[in-house]
Amino acid sequence: QVQLQESGPGLVKPSQTLSLTCSVSGGSISSGNYYWSWIRQPAGKGLEWIGRIYSSGSTNYNPSLKSRVTISVDTSKNQFSLKLSSVTAAETAVYYCAREVPVYSGSYYEDNWGQGTLVTVSS
Amino acid sequence: QSVLTQPPSVTGAPGQRVTISCTGSSSNIGAAYDVHWYQQLPGTAPKLLIYRYTNRPSGVPDRFSGSQSGTSASLAITGLQAEDEADYYCQSYDNSLSVSVFGGGTKLTVL
Repeated sequence: QVQLQESGPGLVKPSQTLSLTCSVSGGSISSGNYYWSWIRQPAGKGLEWIGRIYSSGSTNYNPSLKSRVTISVDTSKNQFSLKLSSVTAAETAVYYCAREVPVYSGSYYEDNWGQGTLVTVSS
Repeated sequence: QSVLTQPPSVTGAPGQRVTISCTGSSSNIGAAYDVHWYQQLPGTAPKLLIYRYTNRPSGVPDRFSGSQSGTSASLAITGLQAEDEADYYCQSYDNSLSVSVFGGGTKLTVL
């Protein structure tokens, strides 16, 4: 069973860049037809998909965040990362990394999730 | 406002059956994109419950089942148990937004 673990600063100042890393264990990030995604959840609210990356480096981003998001992968470390620039207080949330499975119809689902990490945007 | 609409809450007594609806449109569920369901217990990460409308990952009891009709999908839970008390989210793909979308979530309370 693959396991994912998020890491990174729990506090980021407004207008700065949020940076998180997801470490994958129990399987190679390069094996299988899987994507690797980031999802966030503000306290008491629903889930918002941020973006995904394939081991080749190919990415897809939520259009509402696209101008500020970068997801990258380091296959040698079995990790992938999220950078979100110019953050505001409204982006305080629990950030999850997950393994994503593509479906022939064009949708995807997350079959393995990290435990999540709370990032607070505050001065 | 979520692209996929779920009731904010549902309630049921132990042993009963409840259903949670997920209503979309012609750019997501109605466009034949599969629907998936997640269970989120308090203070934990979401867990995959149903994928591709009706399939259960290993370890998910058969008390949980999914269905689809037109631009909507439903999650049914039979033989309600106290440990089913959680938030439930549906997910699909929207081709007008070009993004994976989630419903707003439904809080299940077991009386």
